[in-house]
Amino acid sequence: GESVGLHLPTLSVQEGDNSIINCAYSNSASDYFIWYKQESGKGPQFIIDIRSNMDKRQGQRVTVLLNKTVKHLSLQIAATQPGDSAVYFCAENRGGTSYGKLTFGQGTILTVHP
Amino acid sequence: EAQVTQNPRYLITVTGKKLTVTCSQNMNHEYMSWYRQDPGLGLRQIYYSMNVEVTDKGDVPEGYKVSRKEKRNFPLILESPSPNQTSLYFCASSLGTAGYEQYFGPGTRLTVT
Repeated sequence: GESVGLHLPTLSVQEGDNSIINCAYSNSASDYFIWYKQESGKGPQFIIDIRSNMDKRQGQRVTVLLNKTVKHLSLQIAATQPGDSAVYFCAENRGGTSYGKLTFGQGTILTVHP
Repeated sequence: EAQVTQNPRYLITVTGKKLTVTCSQNMNHEYMSWYRQDPGLGLRQIYYSMNVEVTDKGDVPEGYKVSRKEKRNFPLILESPSPNQTSLYFCASSLGTAGYEQYFGPGTRLTVT
C-alpha cells in the first residue's frame, strides 16, 4: 500500500454492467490475497480470497484473478448493483517469516449509477 | 451475535495524554490485528497477534503498544499520542491468517490536538 496521494482511483459503471477492479501487489513471497469492500462509515468486509497456488476463484457474482508473473490481482463483479458502490481494497499476506502481516492497497472507489 | 467491538468509537485528546483503545471479539479467534486508515493510504497494519502472548509489528508500529493477555481482547495503547496519530483505527480478528475471513470492528476515530 504505497501512498500515491489523497485521490483514490475511481470506477464508475451503470447498473447491470460488469466491473473490473485492479490491484498490483508488491511482494513475490505473498501467498494469500484478499479483496475487501468498505462502505461509508463502516469497517472493511471480506468479499473473496485466493491462495497463490491458484489463478482464479469464483464466488457469488464475484471472481478474483491472480497473475503472479506480473504481480497483479483483479476483482470482477458481475451485474453490478447500486449496493456494490463502495471502496474496494486488495490485501496481500506476506508469508514466510512475515506470516500474518497484511499489506493493503490504497483502494478503488466504485460508483454504480442506476 | 458474532462481532468485534471497539471502544471508544470517537475520541478527541491532547498530545501526550496516554490512551487505550479496547478491542474485543466473541468468536474465539486466534488472530487479531490493528490497522489505521488515512485518506489515500488505505489500511496500514500497526500490530498483529497470532495468539495469546504472541504479538508482532506490522508496517507502522511506531508510537503504539499492544498486549494480548486473553484471547478475546487486544487493546491498542498510545503512551504519548501525537497529532500524526490522528486517524481512523480498526481492529480485526479471524480464526487464523491465510484462508480465514477477517472480521473488522466498527472503527475508532481518534483526533489528537
